[in-house]
Amino acid sequence: DAKTTQPNSMESNEEEPVHLPCNHSTISGTDYIHWYRQLPSQGPEYVIHGLTSNVNNRMASLAIAEDRKSSTLILHRATLRDAAVYYCILAAPRGFNAGGTSYGKLTFGQGTILTVHP
Amino acid sequence: DGGITQSPKYLFRKEGQNVTLSCEQNLNHDAMYWYRQDPGQGLRLIYYSQIVNDFQKGDIAEGYSVSREKKESFPLTVTSAQKNPTAFYLCALGTGANVLTFGAGSRLTVL
Repeated sequence: DAKTTQPNSMESNEEEPVHLPCNHSTISGTDYIHWYRQLPSQGPEYVIHGLTSNVNNRMASLAIAEDRKSSTLILHRATLRDAAVYYCILAAPRGFNAGGTSYGKLTFGQGTILTVHP
Repeated sequence: DGGITQSPKYLFRKEGQNVTLSCEQNLNHDAMYWYRQDPGQGLRLIYYSQIVNDFQKGDIAEGYSVSREKKESFPLTVTSAQKNPTAFYLCALGTGANVLTFGAGSRLTVL
């Protein structure tokens, strides 16, 4: 499985933008880039995913490098509730077909611990 | 948790006992997953199931067993063969876009 590399930790101030980097130099052409975050003692929460183009949703933006070897999760205005562990994951669209639909398995690394200061 | 329920939230077990963690969903998704998380670590895949009556081993299946007799339920049994079962266990549903929706988790402690 292709691996991702993230910084162990990052810090930000409240209401400032946060750019969380992820390197994935061995990404294959069909791998999607997913981001999840996990608050203490909770299950991970889906944030965003993309393949080649930059993506925006109500939670964040995902900027994908042209060669796809790196990506950046952007939180436009950090709040205290954004303090969490952020996981960058490559999801290969493999898995056996079930009723004509294939699902991938996600491999979670250690992620980046984001601390947000008031 | 968006229609996925894990129980119990906390569970204590004596060494040598089997315990079963429940995962129930009402979102009508086919794919279900069990992950294990140790303190300060990422998640590791134990088992997954993509259809009723079928399941596959993940990366750390030894000492665990599952069943998938109906679409709504994917229970995980931690057997006495699991040498270090104390951990946070997470059940997840998969959608067609490879997005996972996680339950709130079950924290198992072996006494």
